[in-house]
Amino acid sequence: EPEVTQTPSHQVTQMGQEVILRCVPISNHLYFYWYRQILGQKVEFLVSFYNNEISEKSEIFDDQFSVERPDGSNFTLKIRSTKLEDSAMYFCASSTRVERGPSSGANVLTFGAGSRLTVL
Amino acid sequence: QKEVEQDPGPLSVPEGAIVSLNCTYSNSAFQYFMWYRQYSRKGPELLMYTYSSGNKEDGRFTAQVDKSSKYISLFIRDSQPSDSATYLCANRGNQGGKLIFGQGTELSVKP
Repeated sequence: EPEVTQTPSHQVTQMGQEVILRCVPISNHLYFYWYRQILGQKVEFLVSFYNNEISEKSEIFDDQFSVERPDGSNFTLKIRSTKLEDSAMYFCASSTRVERGPSSGANVLTFGAGSRLTVL
Repeated sequence: QKEVEQDPGPLSVPEGAIVSLNCTYSNSAFQYFMWYRQYSRKGPELLMYTYSSGNKEDGRFTAQVDKSSKYISLFIRDSQPSDSATYLCANRGNQGGKLIFGQGTELSVKP
């Protein structure tokens, strides 16, 4: 069964350092997402990406965050200068084209196993 | 008011019990209702989705949506120890793929 692959599985970094989290979405999917989950809290939406541009972002996704699809297969999340509160599990997800109406419910998100980021 | 709310549990049941997991939401624009299962330190895995109101059954799992009361349920029949996980409800409107998650209910099925 196709899956979303994320690397690294765990990264430890010092506050203020740049971090890049990588994801390989399912090959025929067109929409890509990053979510995060702080320990013990809800899974929160960060950003969605379609056709090489951000389609929606949350207020969490400030200027310290950026996303990129550098080579047509990878999808990356960069945190420019990490803060302690960025410590979380980051999940990449992908889906097929989202359409309106009853059939779009079939285009659901498939999540990766996550990258755990620890900022010291 | 939080958009999607779940009782975090933990909920502990004996093997074979019927489990009822519930979720409420506040946004009338939500049209799609998903249940994800999340094992410890893993990503959410889609169990079921429902469009608008009604019931949907898949094996031992039944999802119910009551849009009039903004109440969503997941029933698990003949629960198994392998069902032990956190169950997340997630909702979205017609546009885009952004999901709003509840905080999840932790379920433990004891052999």
